[in-house]
Amino acid sequence: DSGVTQTPKHLITATGQRVTLRCSPRSGDLSVYWYQQSLDQGLQFLIQYYNGEERAKGNILERFSAQQFPDLHSELNLSSLELGDSALYFCASSVGTGVSYEQYFGPGTRLTVT
Amino acid sequence: AQTVTQSQPEMSVQEAETVTLSCTYDTSESDYYLFWYKQPPSRQMILVIRQEAYKQQNATENRFSVNFQKAAKSFSLKISDSQLGDAAMYFCAYRDTTSGTYKYIFGTGTRLKVLA
Repeated sequence: DSGVTQTPKHLITATGQRVTLRCSPRSGDLSVYWYQQSLDQGLQFLIQYYNGEERAKGNILERFSAQQFPDLHSELNLSSLELGDSALYFCASSVGTGVSYEQYFGPGTRLTVT
Repeated sequence: AQTVTQSQPEMSVQEAETVTLSCTYDTSESDYYLFWYKQPPSRQMILVIRQEAYKQQNATENRFSVNFQKAAKSFSLKISDSQLGDAAMYFCAYRDTTSGTYKYIFGTGTRLKVLA
């Protein structure tokens, strides 16, 4: 158990809908990263927050957005869902943003768009 | 831009034997971290081993060891005395230190099968 929690575990929804994925980082971790893993692919970086501020963006679609709240939990919002958005979404957290800070991964949320 | 390449989509190994998974990467940085993650059917990402680029000594964790060749930008994972529980997807990852991001860049993975 990494100490990072993600809810829900599974989510099934229809095209065009909007969903929110939630991540609670390890106690004391200020940085949260979101990654997307499509079927049989590696993880792709989406976005990073540090202490409530957006720090970096990767290949995140405009239909996707995220935020980090004062209690440091983070939410990833996916809207106008398409079949291709079906994937495993991972959250990871680290203490800070330095090169030596390791990221700890949550169990992921599996999103299925039908 | 940094890239990570895993050229072996799938590998097989007999139980108790040794297998090596390959990974190459491209970067212009001199200080960085490299990782191997295991992803079993549960899909949880499990850290297997990590290597700091400025350390010349290869990292070792029990049956897992790496062969880090910095000049060649190669980072292979050796699994000794393979066990059935080692069967999983293995991902090589590079920690990007540009722009203060420190995001991970993952390869496409190698599926390891362990034969009884």
